[in-house]
Amino acid sequence: AQSVSQHNHHVILSEAASLELGCNYSYGGTVNLFWYVQYPGQHLQLLLKYFSGDPLVKGIKGFEAEFIKSKFSFNLRKPSVQWSDTAEYFCAVNAPWANNLFFGTGTRLTVIP
Amino acid sequence: GAVVSQHPSRVICKSGTSVKIECRSLDFQATTMFWYRQFPKQSLMLMATSNEGSKATYEQGVEKDKFLINHASLTLSTLTVTSAHPEDSSFYICSARDPGTGDQETQYFGPGTRLLVL
Repeated sequence: AQSVSQHNHHVILSEAASLELGCNYSYGGTVNLFWYVQYPGQHLQLLLKYFSGDPLVKGIKGFEAEFIKSKFSFNLRKPSVQWSDTAEYFCAVNAPWANNLFFGTGTRLTVIP
Repeated sequence: GAVVSQHPSRVICKSGTSVKIECRSLDFQATTMFWYRQFPKQSLMLMATSNEGSKATYEQGVEKDKFLINHASLTLSTLTVTSAHPEDSSFYICSARDPGTGDQETQYFGPGTRLLVL
């Protein structure tokens, strides 16, 4: 079965600091990869996704993620965070055409003004 | 993007009663919807896949007689927690794919329903 690991449970940064959130998955085949964000009191929203092609994916709000197949990783990055980026971030993986989307446990990001 | 709503957002019920949660796709038709459950400080776990006009597909370990799913129209799926017990207290989230976008993979999530069984 697939599994997704997010090693950072809670990250605290000051505004303008750079961000990198780790995501590793265990699955040997082709995968679709997603990052979702959940702002306080709101529902999960899609930040970015990777299906195929360029392994560096750019999403909304200045976020990007890089798929490194050899490392089974899909880390999320942002060069300069803002207070409004305070949220919970979830990495998710599924096999193409499969219904089951496997989620990591999430990383809570707190950005201090 | 596609919008998914859930109702109610929060429900408190007595042990032994049944609770119905609705999931609606507001601006698209969804032949398939998904029901997830999230325990505190844990990840979302898929409970079942709801298929319009046919039976739901349940994940291993999920009791189909306890978690009844009905997907009677292309915009509405319901999850009924029957004879709820305190251990059923959780956060239930639905999602749907929007085939109209051409993207058959991305799931759009509802805001979730917090269930507390006393």
